Amino acid sequence: DAGVTQSPTHLIKTRGQHVTLRCSPISGHKSVSWYQQVLGQGPQFIFQYYEKEERGRGNFPDRFSARQFPNYSSELNVNALLLGDSALYLCASSWEGGSNEQFFGPGTRLTVL
Amino acid sequence: AQKVTQAQTEISVVEKEDVTLDCVYETRDTTYYLFWYKQPPSGELVFLIRRNSFDEQNEISGRYSWNFQKSTSSFNFTITASQVVDSAVYFCALLPDFGNEKLTFGTGTRLTIIP
Repeated sequence: DAGVTQSPTHLIKTRGQHVTLRCSPISGHKSVSWYQQVLGQGPQFIFQYYEKEERGRGNFPDRFSARQFPNYSSELNVNALLLGDSALYLCASSWEGGSNEQFFGPGTRLTVL
Repeated sequence: AQKVTQAQTEISVVEKEDVTLDCVYETRDTTYYLFWYKQPPSGELVFLIRRNSFDEQNEISGRYSWNFQKSTSSFNFTITASQVVDSAVYFCALLPDFGNEKLTFGTGTRLTIIP
């Protein structure tokens, strides 16, 4: 079975631009979470979506938004990019959220110049 | 507030040596979950173990073992007879039992196994 997939793998943007990152969960998983991992740090929680509704939000500005589609895939959008948004963005899926094990994708490496 | 501390930033050991990675956590919740993840150079986080706060039994899986001590808020990870393939960054993480998936990660420990 395919694991969590993310696209694109790498992305280079300039300050002020907008970016959309995509995630496809493991088949049958209904919960998707997004994390930001800055170089040398642990991942920071951004959002969780379960059954297309937001279940949790981390301490990130409103420039960050996300949504989940009927097929449980998800998009993370970041507006007005800043240099500090450069990071590895990880998507994780689980069966139904909560304390279930989260399976992580390979991530999207975003570089903002 | 939740907090996870991994005081060891980097560790290097010679292959076949045993190594222990420390994890100390802070939470006011009575029910919570602790995790260890491995992050190889490829970047993908690999799940290693989940432990709930009511289960303090130590666990062994092959060369890996985990020591959960609620009295000291620690959840340490030991690799026995280390191998070069164990080289990676290891993260300890905490999840409160709120029904969401907000994992709080430590800053990670970079483990290098020297052949």
